[in-house]
Amino acid sequence: GAGVSQTPSNKVTEKGKYVELRCDPISGHTALYWYRQSLGQGPEFLIYFQGTGAADDSGLPNDRFFAVRPEGSVSTLKIQRTERGDSAVYLCASSRGSGNDNEQFFGPGTRLTVL
Amino acid sequence: SQKIEQNSEALNIQEGKTATLTCNYTNYSPAYLQWYRQDPGRGPVFLLLIRENEKEKRKERLKVTFDTTLKQSLFHITASQPADSATYLCALGRGGGSQGNLIFGKGTKLSVKP
Repeated sequence: GAGVSQTPSNKVTEKGKYVELRCDPISGHTALYWYRQSLGQGPEFLIYFQGTGAADDSGLPNDRFFAVRPEGSVSTLKIQRTERGDSAVYLCASSRGSGNDNEQFFGPGTRLTVL
Repeated sequence: SQKIEQNSEALNIQEGKTATLTCNYTNYSPAYLQWYRQDPGRGPVFLLLIRENEKEKRKERLKVTFDTTLKQSLFHITASQPADSATYLCALGRGGGSQGNLIFGKGTKLSVKP
């Protein structure tokens, strides 16, 4: 079966623009996670969905960041008024259950560059 | 504040030797700990999970220990191979109401030389 997929793989935008990053989780996985990874750092938690609802959005850095998962499958991470500091690899992961000791399956990431 | 440290940014060893990677944490009481492997340009891949009430976990050539008194986990790769070269990440999870919130270390880049 297919793994977690993310589109686009690369996104270059200008400061101040709006971007959307998409994640297709593994079919049947109820939990979906977004992380951000800067060069030389580990992934940094942003938000976690259980089904359609955001169960934990404590990692979102500010109100320019927003994520949705309207049908409990595909998720979109939206960033408004992008800043150069938003440049990073945005990783999406999914897992089978709601327990947080479930193995997380990661996608390849979207590399966002804000010029 | 909560802090996770992986012993070194890079570790170079000879093929056939045992690689030992360290993950230390402070100001934190994790319910479990996970180890992931990450290759350049790819997302992390799950390797092992160990719970707070477990001392040791093994999977093929991999072994993980978890010492909640020392606040430390050790990750061992025995009979290392050049194909084991990658960045290894430890991640802590609280459990309970913080479901899904994994806190990752920076990772240790392992290079296994033939």
